[in-house]
Amino acid sequence: QVQLVQSGAEVKKPGASVKVSCKASGYTFTNYGITWVRQAPGQGLEWMGWISGYSGNPNYAQSLQGRVTMTTDTSTTTAYMELRSLRSDDTAVYYCARREESGSKFDYWGQGTLVSVSS
Amino acid sequence: QSALTQPRAVSGSPGQSITISCTGTSRDVGGYEYVSWYQQHPGKAPKLMIYDVTQRPSGVPDRFSGSKSGNTASLTISGLQADDEADYYCCSYGGRYTFDVFGTGTKVSVL
Repeated sequence: QVQLVQSGAEVKKPGASVKVSCKASGYTFTNYGITWVRQAPGQGLEWMGWISGYSGNPNYAQSLQGRVTMTTDTSTTTAYMELRSLRSDDTAVYYCARREESGSKFDYWGQGTLVSVSS
Repeated sequence: QSALTQPRAVSGSPGQSITISCTGTSRDVGGYEYVSWYQQHPGKAPKLMIYDVTQRPSGVPDRFSGSKSGNTASLTISGLQADDEADYYCCSYGGRYTFDVFGTGTKVSVL
């Protein structure tokens, strides 16, 4: 069965970086992309970007351009999301989800990773 | 890219039907047949309920249905049940430069 398993919670100081992993299993990794979505406490879902499992090409939300990098490792079927220059308003639960190469369909989700940014 | 607009809250009694709207523009909702809907219970990851405007993944009850007219998509829940109480988010494809955009979210309460 399809599974996405994310790395554990992180606590970071402002200005630091965080790298969250998303281990995929149960499907052909290169046939789908991975999208990253975050949710600040009590807030809605925010699309951060996605990376093609086929080409490895990432696409980022304009609001995060320059601070976020998404990568994949096809040998371990793992996707990564690195966010730099962390601020307090980056405190959120970060989710990865499987995305079809075309269209906004996120059919399987990871369990979420809480990233807390505090001095 | 601005978030799609959803009502903040919608409520209904058990057995009733409710509809949640999701308003975008011709550059997203109105321009593509790629609208999806997600249900999120507190502390849980979102769950796909509808994709490609009207399609239901296997395992999702047929009480959930989707539609679209112009720049507004809708999710209808028929025969409302207690477990339907959750937050619901729409999402639309916005083209090869914007890609995906979520709605503001709607809290559904079952009275």
